Amino acid sequence: SQQGEEDPQALSIQEGENATMNCSYKTSINNLQWYRQNSGRGLVHLILIRSNEREKHSGRLRVTLDTSKKSSSLLITASRAADTASYFCATDAGGNDMRFGAGTRLTVKP
Amino acid sequence: DAGITQSPRYKITETGRQVTLMCHQTWSHSYMFWYRQDLGHGLRLIYYSAAADITDKGEVPDGYVVSRSKTENFPLTLESATRSQTSVYFCASSSRTPRYTEAFFGQGTRLTVV
Repeated sequence: SQQGEEDPQALSIQEGENATMNCSYKTSINNLQWYRQNSGRGLVHLILIRSNEREKHSGRLRVTLDTSKKSSSLLITASRAADTASYFCATDAGGNDMRFGAGTRLTVKP
Repeated sequence: DAGITQSPRYKITETGRQVTLMCHQTWSHSYMFWYRQDLGHGLRLIYYSAAADITDKGEVPDGYVVSRSKTENFPLTLESATRSQTSVYFCASSSRTPRYTEAFFGQGTRLTVV
């Protein structure tokens, strides 16, 4: 079964608004990662947060991690049309592989 | 060119045929992964490899075979293709275990089994 589950499945916002996506996972992790996938392309790594970290920033991205609730959130501030993509969380599930959720499809309208 | 490349990008095959998807990376990354992506399921791990000659099953390994005789190559073989294996396949690599670092993905192979 999949380790991560993103919520919502789809999100549509206007340019300039903030977008928040959530990820819940099932087992203990060493880290949690977020990836972006543009239509028809491979995944691109965005940010990695370790299990002992609670918040991390990278440009317009802010990621939080709550290990007690087994959940993470990705916030994209001041969104742009170019942010339109699918976003996935991935975890190591305590092992040496990497498992993904089903993703959140974000549409940013100009 | 440096990076991770998959070939072919598109493939149509018939049910029952054997087909091999190729993955090549130029970074000498230790770890390599194969995923399939289907609508509603996100990415599901098929197999992964921690080093040459070391492979492990992922979530959905049935019907697939992998090998890793060289660090840079990680081919995925469908021994007898079925329609349910119609999917987009992604290869990825990482320098260390995903416990510590990110992965880099290829552009994907769209496989259609008719």
